[in-house]
Amino acid sequence: AQKITQTQPGMFVQEKEAVTLDCTYDTSDPSYGLFWYKQPSSGEMIFLIYQGSYDQQNATEGRYSLNFQKARKSANLVISASQLGDSAMYFCAMRETVYSSASKIIFGSGTRLSIRP
Amino acid sequence: EAGVTQFPSHSVIEKGQTVTLRCDPISGHDNLYWYRRVMGKEIKFLLHFVKESKQDESGMPNNRFLAERTGGTYSTLKVQPAELEDSGVYFCASSQPGQPYEQYFGPGTRLTVT
Repeated sequence: AQKITQTQPGMFVQEKEAVTLDCTYDTSDPSYGLFWYKQPSSGEMIFLIYQGSYDQQNATEGRYSLNFQKARKSANLVISASQLGDSAMYFCAMRETVYSSASKIIFGSGTRLSIRP
Repeated sequence: EAGVTQFPSHSVIEKGQTVTLRCDPISGHDNLYWYRRVMGKEIKFLLHFVKESKQDESGMPNNRFLAERTGGTYSTLKVQPAELEDSGVYFCASSQPGQPYEQYFGPGTRLTVT
């Protein structure tokens, strides 16, 4: 069965420091996609970054990068130079069968990140 | 470009009543998804529309939930009759044709059943 595990329910980080949010996944499907979403206190879900299982390089989007280690089935999110506005809930998620139109996303339980000034 | 919108933002109803949630996807997005997060638990998939057709409704919890997407535009999710365990945040997401992996989420509807 597909599963996403986020073992850090909460994290506190000093402003301007880098932070790594952990995510491991389990799937038997060779084709899948991994995502990170940010949910600020306002409630909306903001798409941050995507990594395909066949992508050779780690995905990067501005200050966000995804440390994809396929053999270990991990997809950690790295935020460089954290800012106060990064305080939010972060969800790791997985979609199986990248090229199928039947594409539900499975979410982890989330990590609440708090940035200290 | 307008994002995914959901209405209402918050609904408080009594057990046994009916509630209808609405989602307007991004224009041109054929794929529409419903998810929900029950308090303290993971966000769970409910169902997926491709245009007006239900592609996958494996996550619908029971027959008290009815989702429709008439004309392939907006979608409604009706809960009838509502139970206490239905309380949570209901998210809608949409994605472009051929790009189902990048799903854009709406702000969610917080449903409270008392």
